[in-house]
Amino acid sequence: QQQVKQSPQSLIVQKGGISIINCAYENTAFDYFPWYQQFPGKGPALLIAIRPDVSEKKEGRFTISFNKSAKQFSLHIMDSQPGDSATYFCAARPYAGNMLTFGGGTRLMVKP
Amino acid sequence: KAGVTQTPRYLIKTRGQQVTLSCSPISGHRSVSWYQQTPGQGLQFLFEYFSETQRNKGNFPGRFSGRQFSNSRSEMNVSTLELGDSALYLCASSLAGISQAFFGQGTRLTVV
Repeated sequence: QQQVKQSPQSLIVQKGGISIINCAYENTAFDYFPWYQQFPGKGPALLIAIRPDVSEKKEGRFTISFNKSAKQFSLHIMDSQPGDSATYFCAARPYAGNMLTFGGGTRLMVKP
Repeated sequence: KAGVTQTPRYLIKTRGQQVTLSCSPISGHRSVSWYQQTPGQGLQFLFEYFSETQRNKGNFPGRFSGRQFSNSRSEMNVSTLELGDSALYLCASSLAGISQAFFGQGTRLTVV
């Protein structure tokens, strides 16, 4: 079964701290690994994505680390801000098609 | 550039009825995917359409169906509604199915 396991389910971080969310996958056919941010009442919005030929990708305060041999990837949010409080989803997709398999989500709260 | 538009935003239906949800993708996007989001099951892939053809289908009963028109707009239909079909239904579009997926705000379906 194609699964993506995400942890933790919830996370509380102080303003300025680092938020770390982890995901693990099983299907080696996955070729694209995006992270989405979702605010209440909104659809998920793409934050950052990575392909397995790269071990790390950074965009602003957001960094994805990817470990192909362990089939794990993680999102690091540096200098976390209260505005980052949202639910974060990791996902995975094979090369062809837009069939995303999502992790269970992490509810992040950044305390001022 | 307009984003992905889903209509209606909210729906209340009675058990046993059927419902049709609509999705207008970003102009030029030819791939449309549908997802169901519930607190218990998270985000689950329903199906993907590309150039009016269903390319992938998730693990949902046959009561869930969809189609895509020549202008790339898509509809999904759920027949014989059950209480468990209450969910946020999200539509995502992308250029060619292997690029970034953009989500709409979703249609909140409540079955009573």
